Amino acid sequence: DTGVSQNPRHKITKRGQNVTFRCDPISEHNRLYWYRQTLGQGPEFLTYFQNEAQLEKSRLLSDRFSAERPKGSFSTLEIQRTEQGDSAMYLCASSLKMGQGYNEQFFGPGTRLTVL
Amino acid sequence: EDQVTQSPEALRLQEGESSSLNCSYTVSGLRGLFWYRQDPGKGPEFLFTLYSAGEEKEKERLKATLTKKESFLHITAPKPEDSATYLCAVQAPGERSGYSTLTFGKGTMLLVSP
Repeated sequence: DTGVSQNPRHKITKRGQNVTFRCDPISEHNRLYWYRQTLGQGPEFLTYFQNEAQLEKSRLLSDRFSAERPKGSFSTLEIQRTEQGDSAMYLCASSLKMGQGYNEQFFGPGTRLTVL
Repeated sequence: EDQVTQSPEALRLQEGESSSLNCSYTVSGLRGLFWYRQDPGKGPEFLFTLYSAGEEKEKERLKATLTKKESFLHITAPKPEDSATYLCAVQAPGERSGYSTLTFGKGTMLLVSP
């Protein structure tokens, strides 16, 4: 399978615990994005990497959230001191930057987080 | 602030009954409009990209069009397997860095009955 993969697919945690999600993008893609989606809403942008550089962060991304892409390949999203409001589907997407073009983003299956 | 509004929120069609979904947007510096399909519990699946007013793209029973303020996704003779949520997104410069980010609408949930 050459698509975007995410692990784990499901995570249940207790309030106050830390969680970490992993995203493996399509191999030749140099851009990687994280989104959050709650029921009945479209995905909301969280942050974006080009190679290993984090170039944009949404105001939605509180200090409890941190994302890394250390070698410009896979990425991790960590949530510290989880709250019930963090319960959502966390989606990862990747795209290929070519010149000045704005290429489509391809999404992974998501990680569903439930905070009890 | 960029805004994307999709209508209707939900649409129920009989198999073979054609219809259109609407996506209206307000954005500074549109760099692209995207349509995605999302099945329950899965990530969005890319359908189309439109870059300029007047552009049209087709794929099987779907056709997407773009004007300066809205886009339509036309579904011709739909089948039950077309049932899904259809998401529209606009790509515009980010708030902080100028790099492009996607802003999504809430989607239209389509149900096609046999």
